[in-house]
Amino acid sequence: DADVTQTPRNRITKTGKRIMLECSQTKGHDRMYWYRQDPGLGLRLIYYSFDVKDINKGEISDGYSVSRQAQAKFSLSLESAIPNQTALYFCATRAGINTDTQYFGPGTRLTVL
Amino acid sequence: GNSVTQMEGPVTLSEEAFLTINCTYTATGYPSLFWYVQYPGEGLQLLLKATKADDKGSNKGFEATYRKETTSFHLEKGSVQVSDSAVYFCALSDRDYKLSFGAGTTVTVRA
Repeated sequence: DADVTQTPRNRITKTGKRIMLECSQTKGHDRMYWYRQDPGLGLRLIYYSFDVKDINKGEISDGYSVSRQAQAKFSLSLESAIPNQTALYFCATRAGINTDTQYFGPGTRLTVL
Repeated sequence: GNSVTQMEGPVTLSEEAFLTINCTYTATGYPSLFWYVQYPGEGLQLLLKATKADDKGSNKGFEATYRKETTSFHLEKGSVQVSDSAVYFCALSDRDYKLSFGAGTTVTVRA
């Protein structure tokens, strides 16, 4: 089984709808991250969390919110989706202090019409 | 702020050709440097990394050397295979372990 899973894998929605993307991990890592990937822009950080009580904004957090329900679960929400949020979204985890390698989920492809 | 610039693709090669993907960075301090690979339909996987100047990261025949004097971390492989077709991302990690990525380079290897 994959260590970092994301659901759904694909989602098509309409402008104005609320969408939640979910991430679960079995690696036991404290740190979790949400990125979006756009062609020609690489990956950009949306939000990150160091533990259940610690949530931080990344470089492009506007229009997004997150919830860290447990150490193993980190959800990303789009309260009112818009077309320019069409992208590939990745969740990642990192073990903790003094370890810099992140482990990525398979991604969620979101299309906002 | 931190930034990573990598050569634009796409890059198309024949099997057994030599591959180089250039990557330069701008950062304060001494970041760790990474190459991640994304195979079609999958998430990113760590390919190799280097944590200090002159370190060489290597994996699966790929190599990259951390060059502080030129702020570069170029990826090389001497003989590519069709299975190396993927998108390659250069990245750096800041003091808070947040990653900054380059735009990605799509590599296609033809048999």
